[in-house]
Amino acid sequence: EVQLVESGGGLVQPGGSLTLSCATSGFNFSDSAIHWVRQASGKGLEWVGRIRGKPNSYATGYAASVTGRFTISRSDSKKTAYLQMNRLKTEDAAVYYCTGMLTFWGQGTLVTVSS
Amino acid sequence: QSALTQPASVSGSPGQSITLSCTGTTSDVGRYNLVSWFQQHPGKAPKLLISEDNKRPSGVSNRFSGSKSGNTASLTISGLQAEDEADYYCCAYAGSRTLWVFGGGTKLTVL
Repeated sequence: EVQLVESGGGLVQPGGSLTLSCATSGFNFSDSAIHWVRQASGKGLEWVGRIRGKPNSYATGYAASVTGRFTISRSDSKKTAYLQMNRLKTEDAAVYYCTGMLTFWGQGTLVTVSS
Repeated sequence: QSALTQPASVSGSPGQSITLSCTGTTSDVGRYNLVSWFQQHPGKAPKLLISEDNKRPSGVSNRFSGSKSGNTASLTISGLQAEDEADYYCCAYAGSRTLWVFGGGTKLTVL
């Protein structure tokens, strides 16, 4: 059974930092691209970024709204992906989902950005 | 404003067939065969229904089908059921600079 479990969400002040984790099992993690997608309360889905797998040299890419502030990384040995978020803004508040190849999805973790 | 355009809402009656649209540009929907469709029920994670324009993953009902013409992709749901009431999102690859974009979503109401 495929599983993706996000963790690390919580309350952070504007300008602060937070790192989300995505622990996976049940699929070929090292070869798979992991995407992060977010959804603000009552809003639609927004693609945040992705890290490709080993065959594609772990290439990363990001949405314009987070470039320079967010960084995606991964540990193939732990089958876990990470989303490091710096200089957080109130508009970054959302449920953050990790997804394997946009096929398998976690249940999401809530990030609240407020003073 | 989302990169892909979807109608905000559509409605249909049980048993009916309904088609949801997703309009992009020659840089995304019209260029690559990489449109996906997702279903999302309230409070739940999205679920993949269609990938690569028209491929249905194992376990997804054959009542869901995808197609594309030019810059517009479509999701057709046949034999509409009450459980199909949900939000539907399209997503497309938009090239090496923009990468991936979502539509704003369509809320489907089953009357």
